[in-house]
Amino acid sequence: EDKVVQSPLSLVVHEGDTVTLNCSYEVTNFRSLLWYKQEKKAPTFLFMLTSSGIEKKSGRLSSILDKKELSSILNITATQTGDSAIYLCAVIQGAQKLVFGQGTRLTINP
Amino acid sequence: EAQVTQNPRYLITVTGKKLTVTCSQNMNHEYMSWYRQDPGLGLRQIYYSMNVEVTDKGDVPEGYKVSRKEKRNFPLILESPSPNQTSLYFCASSPPLQGSLYNEQFFGPGTRLTVL
Repeated sequence: EDKVVQSPLSLVVHEGDTVTLNCSYEVTNFRSLLWYKQEKKAPTFLFMLTSSGIEKKSGRLSSILDKKELSSILNITATQTGDSAIYLCAVIQGAQKLVFGQGTRLTINP
Repeated sequence: EAQVTQNPRYLITVTGKKLTVTCSQNMNHEYMSWYRQDPGLGLRQIYYSMNVEVTDKGDVPEGYKVSRKEKRNFPLILESPSPNQTSLYFCASSPPLQGSLYNEQFFGPGTRLTVL
């Protein structure tokens, strides 16, 4: 059975801390891995990762894919309260079938 | 403004009463998809469509139907809703696959459905 597993499921840190969110997958016909941020509404796109070892960066957020370990990490440095959200990892399988993980609920306390 | 719209945004209904949730996108996207989101389970794909008249089952298609008669619309139909279909539903669309690249999915605002 195809699955995407995220860890931790919940994380509480203080503003300014650095966090690392994990995503591991077991799917057939892997195409790409996506990261989304979801606040109190629809998910918004963060990154798409297709090649192993190439880091994608956007401001304080960065992500990298390890196809040998079948995993990806999302790093957030110097966290701010506005980073509080659910972070979703999804894998594109075959012809655009998406499998999502359960999400990591990140809470940043001031 | 480029967007995916869903209607209704909130719906409370009773078991067995057929309902349709509409989804429309104005970005000329070929790919559209429906998801449901439940606590602790993340998003699960219900159905997706690669193009007009082409639809495929996702991971949780039971109890749902879809149609793709036009490129911009992808309605989700619950013929006989049951309480276990109470959930938050998202429609999404994206540009077509181009070689090995994949473009981000644009999500609608969500429809919160309660089946009593």
